[in-house]
Amino acid sequence: RKEVEQDPGPFNVPEGATVAFNCTYSNSASQSFFWYRQDCRKEPKLLMSVYSSGNEDGRFTAQLNRASQYISLLIRDSKLSDSATYLCVVNGKLTGGGNKLTFGTGTQLKVEL
Amino acid sequence: SAVISQKPSRDICQRGTSLTIQCQVDSQVTMMFWYRQQPGQSLTLIATANQGSEATYESGFVIDKFPISRPNLTFSTLTVSNMSPEDSSIYLCSVEDLDTGLAGSYTDTQYFGPGTRLTVL
Repeated sequence: RKEVEQDPGPFNVPEGATVAFNCTYSNSASQSFFWYRQDCRKEPKLLMSVYSSGNEDGRFTAQLNRASQYISLLIRDSKLSDSATYLCVVNGKLTGGGNKLTFGTGTQLKVEL
Repeated sequence: SAVISQKPSRDICQRGTSLTIQCQVDSQVTMMFWYRQQPGQSLTLIATANQGSEATYESGFVIDKFPISRPNLTFSTLTVSNMSPEDSSIYLCSVEDLDTGLAGSYTDTQYFGPGTRLTVL
């Protein structure tokens, strides 16, 4: 089983739609969680951290279910500019200190006119 | 967040040669990391670059193949040695920093350089 699993998509949605991505992780000791966005041929960029109580940033809502080891990202009112690959990322501690990020393979979103 | 640059942005190399990639940060950071992203894949951590000591490598990666330097708190290099076509990939450095997304909440996460796209013929 992969440490972080995501549906690769692609999700093709019309502009203005609401779309949800899901992610599961295998390590119950994971401490923090993130969604990153990666545009084609670009580096990943932090979209938002995911907090236990759930959190919202504009059109984006992230949820965490530790019992089910499940993370979600909801995008409302999709824009063309939301087209990208969304990476689910979980964080564990490195032996020598610092944090080890484990990345899912990403879910591709295409927003269409 | 820190501003990170990498050089070169891309290169095409011959089998058997080596390439050194540089990563420069605009502020002092404790933790720097090197990742690989192979075509169609997600990111895989190669190693943690430790200032003043040897890098810490992840399973499947060794110092002879991927020597790393970290001479100070703003700079690191990754060398891809004795390259083969299987080394064709994007190599990214990252630094650890705080995400202050929610008021009063701080989470350690990583920010990435723009990457180096390597093609080995």
